[in-house]
Amino acid sequence: NAGVTQTPKFQVLKTGQSMTLQCAQDMNHEYMSWYRQDPGMGLRLIHYSVGAGITDQGEVPNGYNVSRSTTEDFPLRLLSAAPSQTSVYFCASRQGGEQFFGPGTRLTVL
Amino acid sequence: SQKIEQNSEALNIQEGKTATLTCNYTNYSPAYLQWYRQDPGRGPVFLLLIRENEKEKRKERLKVTFDTTLKQSLFHITASQPADSATYLCALPPTSGTYKYIFGTGTRLKVLA
Repeated sequence: NAGVTQTPKFQVLKTGQSMTLQCAQDMNHEYMSWYRQDPGMGLRLIHYSVGAGITDQGEVPNGYNVSRSTTEDFPLRLLSAAPSQTSVYFCASRQGGEQFFGPGTRLTVL
Repeated sequence: SQKIEQNSEALNIQEGKTATLTCNYTNYSPAYLQWYRQDPGRGPVFLLLIRENEKEKRKERLKVTFDTTLKQSLFHITASQPADSATYLCALPPTSGTYKYIFGTGTRLKVLA
């Protein structure tokens, strides 16, 4: 099992650009989520999904969209990047109480 | 709303000593609490889950306690090694009717050789 994979590893965007962060898991987990991690803030939930076709907002959803067309994939879309979205983004899937995190995407918005 | 607090200051200890990290929470009575390890540039990795009816849980050199009266969990690493240097996060499960986990900001541990 590859676990949870994320691409790209690093990305630099200009303000106003859009992009999609990819996330995939091969463990057949129903629950997936996206977090951002900023210094001193801890992990903050952006969006989550409890199964294919079902998504909901987390703590900090503004400026981000998600979709879940398959169990495996959960992409995160930045609609119009802003410097405040500079962060490290983690995708996670969950089985029972344990969350499995991807390696992260470090995003810089200039 | 529920809050979770970890000591944000780094903890430096000598190799071989026991490291003790603290996680406090408020406005919540969780059914369980989790601890994760995060290395620089990597995602968190699940370590232990302790349930509200468990006072203590062990896994190799790791020991976690859970005091629901104090609303506190302690995370111990015995016989610490430089390889234990990392940031350790505690996490609370979702409250009833939600799916949102809450993570602490983490405590950075450095084990000195």
